[in-house]
Amino acid sequence: AQKITQTQPGMFVQEKEAVTLDCTYDTSDPSYGLFWYKQPSSGEMIFLIYQGSYDQQNATEGRYSLNFQKARKSANLVISASQLGDSAMYFCAMRSVQGAQKLVFGQGTRLTINP
Amino acid sequence: DVKVTQSSRYLVKRTGEKVFLECVQDMDHENMFWYRQDPGLGLRLIYFSYDVKMKEKGDIPEGYSVSREKKERFSLILESASTNQTSMYLCASSFTLGQSHEQYFGPGTRLTVT
Repeated sequence: AQKITQTQPGMFVQEKEAVTLDCTYDTSDPSYGLFWYKQPSSGEMIFLIYQGSYDQQNATEGRYSLNFQKARKSANLVISASQLGDSAMYFCAMRSVQGAQKLVFGQGTRLTINP
Repeated sequence: DVKVTQSSRYLVKRTGEKVFLECVQDMDHENMFWYRQDPGLGLRLIYFSYDVKMKEKGDIPEGYSVSREKKERFSLILESASTNQTSMYLCASSFTLGQSHEQYFGPGTRLTVT
């Protein structure tokens, strides 16, 4: 069975600082994908970044990067130069090739950016 | 612009009522999903569908059923609503081909059962 663990229920960061949100996963599938989503207080889920298990390089999308350490089964999200608008819930999720496109989500981390 | 819409943002129902949550996507996606979101538990998959009239149980299907008569529409049905079904319900859709294809989410329906 697949499992995603986010151990930080809440984080508080000063504006303009970098922040790392932790995500560890467990799967026996050889091929899988890892996703990060952002959920602002308005409720919609916004896709941020994707990492494939066979990708050689860490994924980056603007201020977002994914620190993928396959041997440790971790896929941490790094946000550089945080902004007030980054305050939101963040979810890590995983999908395996055998998982019929299903996503398994972690519990989420609530990030608060202080001015 | 891609869009997933849900019939209601907020819904209040009484225990025992039959509840319909509707989801429509305009991206011609094959796959559609229903999740519920509860604090501290993240999103949990209730049901999903990979084609018209096809459905698969997710992790927590008890007390729910679904219907997909058209490709763009996926309905979640609570046959007899109970208070423990008070939650945020999120619909999503995605393409089948390509492992990297993300799921697109609707705005969510916050259901309260009293």
